[in-house]
Parts: sequence; C-alpha cells; structure tokens
Amino acid sequence: GPKVLQIPSHQIIDMGQMVTLNCDPVSNHLYFYWYKQILGQQMEFLVNFYNGKVMEKSKLFKDQFSVERPDGSYFTLKIQPTALEDSAVYFCASSSDGRAEQFFGPGTRLTVL
Amino acid sequence: GEQVEQLPSILRVQEGSSASINCTYENSASNYFPWYKQEPGENPKLIIDIRSNMERKQTQGLIVLLDKKAKRFSLHITDTQPGDSAMYFCAARYQGGRALIFGTGTTVSVSP
Repeated sequence: GPKVLQIPSHQIIDMGQMVTLNCDPVSNHLYFYWYKQILGQQMEFLVNFYNGKVMEKSKLFKDQFSVERPDGSYFTLKIQPTALEDSAVYFCASSSDGRAEQFFGPGTRLTVL
Repeated sequence: GEQVEQLPSILRVQEGSSASINCTYENSASNYFPWYKQEPGENPKLIIDIRSNMERKQTQGLIVLLDKKAKRFSLHITDTQPGDSAMYFCAARYQGGRALIFGTGTTVSVSP
C-alpha cells in the first residue's frame, strides 16, 4: 500500500539545538500532517499543511515549530530551539484530499537531553 | 471541546471471543471516525472508518457502530486472534477540519 517515509528514525540532540524532521509523503498526496506521540499515550495533532500553507495548527504547535515543503521535496518539521518536553515520537501523515484516509509514516523518535 | 474519550485502556480476551472498545466525542460537528491499529514500534494503520451518514459498518471481522445522538462510537472485533493484539486508537474529525483527534488508546491482548 501507499507508504510515508520518515528520516531519521531516531534523533538525539541537546536542549536548545535545532532539529529538522523529514517526511517523504505518499506520491500525489496534497495534505500533510504532523502528530506528536509521547510514549504510551495517544497521538496529538500538531499541524496540517496544504498548498504551501499551514491550514490548521493546535496549541502544541509552539512558536519554536515551523513546517515547510520546499519545491515538492521533503515535508519538514523544524524545532528551534528544542526543549526537554519536545522528546516524543513525531509521526508524519499525508492524504490525497482533506477528507481522505491519512497514511502515517513510521515516526521519528526525538530525544532531547 | 475537542476531546475523545476511549475505554477501556486495557482489554484482555481469550482467542475466539470478541473485544469491544468504546469512544465518546464532544464536538457534535464531528463527521468522520477512523480506527487505527498500532503495533509496538510501528506506524498506526487504518483498519476501519465510519462517516456520520452511517450507523454501522462491517469489514473482515470488524464492526463499527456510531450513535450520533449519544456522540458515541465503538469498535467490535469478532473472533479475536493473537494477531489482533495491539494498541487501538479511535479518532474523530469535525466537519470542515482536517485534524484527527485521537482517543487515549486501548491495549488489546489476545491470549491463546
């Protein structure tokens, strides 16, 4: 079936540093999402991106977060600067349109020390 | 409100029996309710979904029911197998939105 890829699978960084999480969405999908999952808890919506713009974001999407997809390359989530509470697994998802199934990637485990 | 409550948090069943998970949502404008299965270290995978124009949907041993009046929906796994052991998440999406609001998850454990 359709696959969303995420790079890297794990990332360990020091608090205050910048990190960029990369997502390769399903080909031809137009809607992109980031979700955050703390160990043992549910996924929480961060942001939805379409046509080069943030369409929706939650309270978890702090000012230190930004997303972009320059020229159809990776859809990225950048956190600058990172904080300890940013440690989590970040899942990227994509869908063909806003009403369609969201396909999730394997996640990037981010550890902030 | 945007919360989705999910119960139980842990469900242990014998192989061959059924398992039921219940979710309630707050936003009456919600119109799409997917269920995801997540195995340890894996990505969540959609197993079944239901839209607000339906009350019941069934596919391959899974049944979902939606009660819009009560703002409640449920997943029923019939004839459980060890391969059904996983974390299950319900979710809701409100009309006009794209964000999935996930429930707190249910760990299902099927013993032989």
